[in-house]
Amino acid sequence: AQSVTQLDSQVPVFEEAPVELRCNYSSSVSVYLFWYVQYPNQGLQLLLKYLSGSTLVKGINGFEAEFNKSQTSFHLRKPSVHISDTAEYFCAVSRTGFQKLVFGTGTRLLVSP
Amino acid sequence: DTAVSQTPKYLVTQMGNDKSIKCEQNLGHDTMYWYKQDSKKFLKIMFSYNNKELIINETVPNRFSPKSPDKAHLNLHINSLELGDSAVYFCASSQEHLGREYEAFFGQGTRLTVV
Repeated sequence: AQSVTQLDSQVPVFEEAPVELRCNYSSSVSVYLFWYVQYPNQGLQLLLKYLSGSTLVKGINGFEAEFNKSQTSFHLRKPSVHISDTAEYFCAVSRTGFQKLVFGTGTRLLVSP
Repeated sequence: DTAVSQTPKYLVTQMGNDKSIKCEQNLGHDTMYWYKQDSKKFLKIMFSYNNKELIINETVPNRFSPKSPDKAHLNLHINSLELGDSAVYFCASSQEHLGREYEAFFGQGTRLTVV
């Protein structure tokens, strides 16, 4: 079975500062990795995904993430955040070829002026 | 022109009632899902259908019965609603094959409140 750990439940940051949201996963088989964002009262939107190939993945809205197999991590980063990035961020994993998503508990990113 | 649409967006009902949530996707995907997000924002899969066939049932109580009349629709019917059923229910769809478009698209969610 797969599991995802997002250690930080909330990350406060000032506007234009860099941010890193941490995600670690556990799995005995190969996995795909995803980051989703949920704005207040909205559905989930895919930020980026890692399926294979380059371990540095670029997504929408200036976000990127790096897959580290040895550390079983898939941390999300943005060099300069905006107020509009305030949202809940979910890391998720699925077994390769099998699309059931297992989500972490989410990290709330709070960007203040 | 919404890709995955759910109705209703909000649903308030009394304990013991039966209610349904509808989901439709216009992406041509062959797999659809129901996820439940609890009050702590934790998301967990409930069901998955592939071409109208149930492929995942994550130990959900029998009171929950998904129905897929065709591969573009996956409805969720809940009998004898309980307080603990209060949550946000998300429908999602994806295409069941490896490739660049491999991702799940989510609807806007249905906030169910049982009183």
